[in-house]
Amino acid sequence: DTGVSQNPRHKITKRGQNVTFRCDPISEHNRLYWYRQTLGQGPEFLTYFQNEAQLEKSRLLSDRFSAERPKGSFSTLEIQRTEQGDSAMYLCASSLVGTSNQPQHFGDGTRLSIL
Amino acid sequence: DQQVKQNSPSLSVQEGRFSILNCDYTNSMFDYFLWYKKYPAEGPTFLISISSIKDKNEDGRFTVFLNKSAKHLSLHIVPSQPGDSAVYFCAANNQGAQKLVFGQGTRLTINP
Repeated sequence: DTGVSQNPRHKITKRGQNVTFRCDPISEHNRLYWYRQTLGQGPEFLTYFQNEAQLEKSRLLSDRFSAERPKGSFSTLEIQRTEQGDSAMYLCASSLVGTSNQPQHFGDGTRLSIL
Repeated sequence: DQQVKQNSPSLSVQEGRFSILNCDYTNSMFDYFLWYKKYPAEGPTFLISISSIKDKNEDGRFTVFLNKSAKHLSLHIVPSQPGDSAVYFCAANNQGAQKLVFGQGTRLTINP
């Protein structure tokens, strides 16, 4: 059983550059989520997709952030004009749609460091 | 506004003993609660969940208890093993919203 896969695992970039992360969910999962985690805190919700439709965005997701899931499979999260405060672990999760609650399963994340 | 709180940043337990991790929430609309375990450099791993229609759910060494009137849940691990040393997060949502709201985490250390 292949879990949620995220690439790259680490990204170091200079302030002002654009970065893009990729997430491949568990194959039969039709919901995909992005979270951000900073040191000493729990993950915070950013956005989620059901198939290719982006159904909810957090107010944490500023205009510099954009997420896509073009064919309802993998997703990308892009951050434009990165800032120091964007340094964090970016986590992707996926789940099934079901008649009852379904747990979200997380990838190992992409750690972003802004110099 | 911290809707899910884990008030103990750390907990140390002897191997073989009970570990009890606690979590409080403020949003009465939450109806699904989960516990995740996280090792360094890895993502959170789903452990166990409970729906608000139940007050207990058990899976092997792990049991989650839910007290809706107190807005409190706890995770019991018995017997505790060295491999249980990790950061534990509780999370909650309501069926109308898909986002999980997480607590700040509790670092559990199991001592030999």
